[in-house]
Amino acid sequence: DAKTTQPPSMDCAEGRAANLPCNHSTISGNEYVYWYRQIHSQGPQYIIHGLKNNETNEMASLIITEDRKSSTLILPHATLRDTAVYYCIVPYGGATNKLIFGTGTLLAVQP
Amino acid sequence: NAGVTQTPKFQVLKTGQSMTLQCAQDMNHNSMYWYRQDPGMGLRLIYYSASEGTTDKGEVPNGYNVSRLNKREFSLRLESAAPSQTSVYFCASSEWWDDEAFFGQGTRLTVV
Repeated sequence: DAKTTQPPSMDCAEGRAANLPCNHSTISGNEYVYWYRQIHSQGPQYIIHGLKNNETNEMASLIITEDRKSSTLILPHATLRDTAVYYCIVPYGGATNKLIFGTGTLLAVQP
Repeated sequence: NAGVTQTPKFQVLKTGQSMTLQCAQDMNHNSMYWYRQDPGMGLRLIYYSASEGTTDKGEVPNGYNVSRLNKREFSLRLESAAPSQTSVYFCASSEWWDDEAFFGQGTRLTVV
């Protein structure tokens, strides 16, 4: 089972890029890296996922190192509404998606 | 298209009472999940259903039972509620195991 390690908290100035790191050194070759966020007490929201290539969508970019042991979620222009807990997840279990959430990173975007 | 709908949104139970949390999705998803989130903590997986007709235990299944009633609905039952089950419960669904999961808005349960 691949586990992830994230810093408990980070700050970012509004309008600047937020770079959230995640270590997943035990990841297997066919395991994806997923990112979700949870704003206040709402249900988590999917952001992005990737296998080995860098990915970009309208919300964020995901940079995965060549050895796949770590990744970085990039919010290019953070806003106050991006203040949330960000979870980096590597599902396990073969054909079933066991999304196991850790404690995540609390990103505080400062005005 | 409502996504994932959970009922009720709030509930107070007395110790020993039973109740069922309902979850329904209208996205024709195959996989569904139940999580709990205690104050200041991350989400913990209680049970999941990879596809209609199957259910499996997650990280914290003790004290709960689930039923995948059909493809749309996945219910979570507390047979004898305990104060330790006070939590926010989230239901989620995804098309398959490698797809993004969509979450409901949660059920806030207090057991006194």
